[in-house]
Amino acid sequence: EAQVTQNPRYLITVTGKKLTVTCSQNMNHEYMSWYRQDPGLGLRQIYYSMNVEVTDKGDVPEGYKVSRKEKRNFPLILESPSPNQTSLYFCASSTYSGAGQETQYFGPGTRLLVL
Amino acid sequence: SQKIEQNSEALNIQEGKTATLTCNYTNYSPAYLQWYRQDPGRGPVFLLLIRENEKEKRKERLKVTFDTTLKQSLFHITASQPADSATYLCALDHQAGTALIFGKGTTLSVSS
Repeated sequence: EAQVTQNPRYLITVTGKKLTVTCSQNMNHEYMSWYRQDPGLGLRQIYYSMNVEVTDKGDVPEGYKVSRKEKRNFPLILESPSPNQTSLYFCASSTYSGAGQETQYFGPGTRLLVL
Repeated sequence: SQKIEQNSEALNIQEGKTATLTCNYTNYSPAYLQWYRQDPGRGPVFLLLIRENEKEKRKERLKVTFDTTLKQSLFHITASQPADSATYLCALDHQAGTALIFGKGTTLSVSS
C-alpha cells in the first residue's frame, strides 16, 4: 500500500529537549516536505527536499532542521524545542517533474506539545 | 503581498444540494492548482489538480474550474452527502512547483 508514515503520532516534551520526528514514504518519490498546521494559520511549509541531499527552506524554517540521506526518509529535527513549536506536523511526498509536483501524499500527522 | 484566500471558513448546506467553494489568490502565477480534503485530525487527501491551460476538471461528483484572469478556482460538489462533510483546502504551486501554498480551508457541513 502506498503510504507516508510518521512517528511518533503524539509527543509531549519539554522546552530544550531535542527531538526527531521520522517520516518515510514507500512510493519512490523525489519530493518530500514538512508542514505545520495551526488554527487560523492553515498549513505552512517548513522545509522541503527535491531529492537526496537536496533540501531547502519553506515559509517557517526557524527552529527546525531536516536531512535527506535516503530517498525514502525525511526526518524533522527540533534541536531545542520551544512552546511556540506546539503544533500538528505533517510530512508529505510527491513526484516532481518539469511540470511541477503532482499529487501530494500526506502522512497521518504528529501532534506535538512542548511544555 | 501574496495571498490565497478561501471564501469562507464554514459552509452549511442540505443533503442533495450543490456545494460551491471558492479559492482566490493574488500576486501568484500558478501553473496549477490543487484541491484537498481534510478530516479532523488527519492528513489532507488529494482530490483534483487543474492546470492553468484547463478551464474545468471533473471527477465523479466533483468539478473544479480555474480562471487565471479572475485568479480564482471554484470547487463544486454536486448531490452532496453528509459523508462529504470535511474541510477542503486549495493549494497552488509556487516557485516552479517547488512549493505548494495552501489556503486556510473551508469547512463544509452537509446536513441530512
